[in-house]
Amino acid sequence: AQSVAQPEDQVNVAEGNPLTVKCTYSVSGNPYLFWYVQYPNRGLQFLLKYITGDNLVKGSYGFEAEFNKSQTSFHLKKPSALVSDSALYFCAVGPDMRFGAGTRLTVKP
Amino acid sequence: DAGVIQSPRHEVTEMGQEVTLRCKPISGHDYLFWYRQTMMRGLELLIYFNNNVPIDDSGMPEDRFSAKMPNASFSTLKIQPSEPRDSAVYFCASLGVGLTEAFFGQGTRLTVV
Repeated sequence: AQSVAQPEDQVNVAEGNPLTVKCTYSVSGNPYLFWYVQYPNRGLQFLLKYITGDNLVKGSYGFEAEFNKSQTSFHLKKPSALVSDSALYFCAVGPDMRFGAGTRLTVKP
Repeated sequence: DAGVIQSPRHEVTEMGQEVTLRCKPISGHDYLFWYRQTMMRGLELLIYFNNNVPIDDSGMPEDRFSAKMPNASFSTLKIQPSEPRDSAVYFCASLGVGLTEAFFGQGTRLTVV
């Protein structure tokens, strides 16, 4: 069965610092990986995806993610965090769109 | 397209009552997913359809839960009878061919008292 794991419930960073939100995956075959963000009282919004191709994927709002096959990871990154990036982040694996437990990112001024 | 539309946005019902949640996917999308989100259990995949056919319902918690997709533009999730532990936010999402991103509805916040 396909699955993703997010090992951190919470990530705290200072504004302006780089951020990383971790995700590892377990799939048979080629992985289809996604990152979503959820703001309070809202549905999930798509950030980026990896289907095939370049291991570094760029997405919305300055986020990017690096696909690493040897480590079965797909970590979300941003070079300089903003307070407005504070939200709940989810990693997912397709095509049946199973989500990780989520990581709450807090960016402090 | 107006996106994925869920109704109602909020539902408060008494224990034992039947609850029906509705979802209209994005036109042309052939996958539809139902999720339940709670603080304790996170975002759980309940069931998903492909071309209106249920593919995996292993996440449906009990027989009290049922989902249908009578046509490509409509799906329902029914809970009968409802219990307080069913209180959660229920999301619907749709996905098109080529594994474009899944689009989520705004969710239905269900409270069973």
